[in-house]
Amino acid sequence: KNEVEQSPQNLTAQEGEFITINCSYSVGISALHWLQQHPGGGIVSLFMLSSGKKKHGRLIATINIQEKHSSLHITASHPRDSAVYICAVSPHYGGSQGNLIFGKGTKLSVKP
Amino acid sequence: GAVVSQHPSWVICKSGTSVKIECRSLDFQATTMFWYRQFPKQSLMLMATSNEGSKATYEQGVEKDKFLINHASLTLSTLTVTSAHPEDSSFYICSANGNYEQYFGPGTRLTVT
Repeated sequence: KNEVEQSPQNLTAQEGEFITINCSYSVGISALHWLQQHPGGGIVSLFMLSSGKKKHGRLIATINIQEKHSSLHITASHPRDSAVYICAVSPHYGGSQGNLIFGKGTKLSVKP
Repeated sequence: GAVVSQHPSWVICKSGTSVKIECRSLDFQATTMFWYRQFPKQSLMLMATSNEGSKATYEQGVEKDKFLINHASLTLSTLTVTSAHPEDSSFYICSANGNYEQYFGPGTRLTVT
């Protein structure tokens, strides 16, 4: 069993829909990251959170430490949101912040 | 926000040659940088942790003599793939810690023919 599980693996939505991507993890963590990877490969860090909720534009990320679960929400989705969304955690045992454990990603396609 | 650059963005080389990839933190100093590798349709995997002024720490299964890492300054880390083979073809990404956040480079796509 992977230490970081994402669901769904693939998601197709119509423009304007509300989207939720889930991430569950099984290790103790110091932080959880949501990353966006576009088809060209470059990665953008969307959020880093260790508790509660963060909002940036149409993106919202929440985390429940007790349940070891995080969600990424996209409101009023747009075709330009099409990308792979990756959940990654910084485990307590990792020592360095860079020793991230990555989920396999959720491929999102938003149709116009 | 902080920016991390990588050069080159893509490279094609012949089997047996060496390739150097640079990772720079453009507006902050990074004592620690990280190198990841991503094979098609797979997750990123940490290869090594690059520490300024000291030896890199490699993850299990990563050959340190094949993937040479040098972190000569607080803004530059380099990864050299020595004697590259087709199985080394992959997407290589670096990241750096700054202001308690982790910033990723745009990646370098290496193709070995």
